[in-house]
Amino acid sequence: GAVVSQHPSWVICKSGTSVKIECRSLDFQATTMFWYRQFPKQSLMLMATSNEGSKATYEQGVEKDKFLINHASLTLSTLTVTSAHPEDSSFYICSAREAGAFTDTQYFGPGTRLTVL
Amino acid sequence: AQSVSQHNHHVILSEAASLELGCNYSYGGTVNLFWYVQYPGQHLQLLLKYFSGDPLVKGIKGFEAEFIKSKFSFNLRKPSVQWSDTAEYFCAVNARGSGNTPLVFGKGTRLSVIA
Repeated sequence: GAVVSQHPSWVICKSGTSVKIECRSLDFQATTMFWYRQFPKQSLMLMATSNEGSKATYEQGVEKDKFLINHASLTLSTLTVTSAHPEDSSFYICSAREAGAFTDTQYFGPGTRLTVL
Repeated sequence: AQSVSQHNHHVILSEAASLELGCNYSYGGTVNLFWYVQYPGQHLQLLLKYFSGDPLVKGIKGFEAEFIKSKFSFNLRKPSVQWSDTAEYFCAVNARGSGNTPLVFGKGTRLSVIA
């Protein structure tokens, strides 16, 4: 099946620093990737939709200047949390959409746990 | 916009009991429907999906779900649960055929299976 990887799996950083998270589709091309945030014991909340070669579409309430998304190729999207603060600590999950007439399915990465001290 | 409701926040069952988790969605158009499972400490995995055709969908690990269009429901079922089914279950929906629409998730149902 389709595999999506994320790197790193966990990261601890100091307040004020920036952190980059990579999301890769390993065996398929993904014109669209999605970034979600999951708080403990809660559901996934969509942050943004990342389209290859164009600007990301952010959900209401998500700061685009704080959460920079780049979708440089059909297999890679990156999320950079700029000037991270403790309230940004969360579990960040990406998914990649395997598009097609009847394969409109999203496959999820394993997530990245970010802890900001 | 779509929305998804999962009415059961936490379900506790004994092994071999039957399972049914409710999922209702709100959307006026045609949708794709999904159930994902998240085992403790692991990432989301697709259990099953419905796009079209037979409304009774069979997935992995003995799970199935039935799409009832008139009720806007897509309930997940398993006739006999095992301890290893302990996990968080998420129902999700997206609009079909309208481009890059993201998944909208329900709040999840935590299933605890006790021996």
